[in-house]
Formats: sequence, C-alpha cells, structure tokens
Amino acid sequence: EVQLVESGGGVVQPGGSLRLSCAASGFTFDDYAMHWVRQAPGKGLEWVSLISGDGGSTYYADSVKGRFTISRDNSKNSLYLQMNSLRTEDTALYYCAGSGWYEWFDPWGQGTLVTVSS
Amino acid sequence: SYELTQPLSVSVALGQTARITCGGNNIGSKNVHWYQQKPGQAPVLVIYRDSNRPSGIPERFSGSNSGNTATLTISRAQAGDEADYYCQVWDSTFVVFGGGTKLTVL
Repeated sequence: EVQLVESGGGVVQPGGSLRLSCAASGFTFDDYAMHWVRQAPGKGLEWVSLISGDGGSTYYADSVKGRFTISRDNSKNSLYLQMNSLRTEDTALYYCAGSGWYEWFDPWGQGTLVTVSS
Repeated sequence: SYELTQPLSVSVALGQTARITCGGNNIGSKNVHWYQQKPGQAPVLVIYRDSNRPSGIPERFSGSNSGNTATLTISRAQAGDEADYYCQVWDSTFVVFGGGTKLTVL
C-alpha cells in the first residue's frame, strides 16, 4: 500500500523551530520529487517546498525562503522540513506529497498540524 | 509570479452538470491537475494533465484546458461530490495552486 505519514507537528512560540518528518512506503521513494504543501485553517492549499528525487535540487515559496529547509534521506525513505524563525502565519496543516517532475501530486499524506502561538 | 483564479463557490442541482473554472495567463500551454478535498481529508487527485482520470475516479469527472481557462466538469452531480476543488500547475520550478472552489450540490 502506498503511504505517506507525517509527524513532528505541535505548538511552538513565534521565533521557534520545528522539524517535520514524512515516512514513505509502498513505492520507489527516490523516483519521486517530494513536496511540502500547507493549508492554514479554513484556507486553501499553499505549496511550500520541493526537493528532487536525488535530493540535489531544492526550491521554496517566497513566504518561507531563508527560514525553511527541505531535505530527504532516500536510505530511510524519509522527507524532512526544518522550520526556523516561525511566525504566526506559518500555522497550518502541513502535507507531504510526491510527484513526477512537472507532474501531478500523488500520493499525499494525511498532514501534521503546526501551531505557532505565544 | 503565476496566478490561478478560481470562483469561490459553485452550486449545482443534484443530477445536473457542474463546471469549475481555473483561469491563468495562457494556461492552455500548461498541464493542469485537479484535486478534490473533503472536510478533514487530504486532497485527492481527480484529473491529471488537463483531461485524464486516475483509476477509481468516476467517468462523470472530466477536464479541458484551452486559452486562458481550464475547466473541471462534473456530470450528473451527486451529494458525495460536495467538496473543495483545486487546480494546480507548475510554473518553472515552482508549483501554483488555485484558491479553491467550494462545490455545493443542492
């Protein structure tokens, strides 16, 4: 069964840090580019970051550039998002998702909730 | 940066046809993908590359893309189709989602 399972969410104060993880199973992980997509409460989907299958290329939305770092460990079938200097506007459900390059997003995880609040 | 524009909401009578649009500059030159999201659930792919249905998605779902508008069409709408729908494209090495459309089946 193809599966993505996120973890690492929680409550953090503004300016704090958090590291999200995404464990993949049921497919050839390094064949897929991987993404983080977030959804603020009651809002739409916002693409956050992308990493190539070999981990050699990374890209970020302007809203998180310089604060977030995406990485992957193909030996562990895992994707990560290091989030620093968190702001209240980063509060969202964070999904990991896989895609081909320039292709559609499938599969998706169920998300992990990040709340930035004092 | 590239932008995708969707109507906030669309209503359709039970059994009728719903059309959800996604506008973007020369979007017809891009591949458009569509996702369905029900409350409390992750998005699910319903159309890829403008008009292709993944396995398990009913034939009632179809898509088209030309000029400055892509369209998701849901025929014979059912109560279970009530959801938020998002279009998505790649713009160079960035990914763009539309703002989402809430479909209500009356």
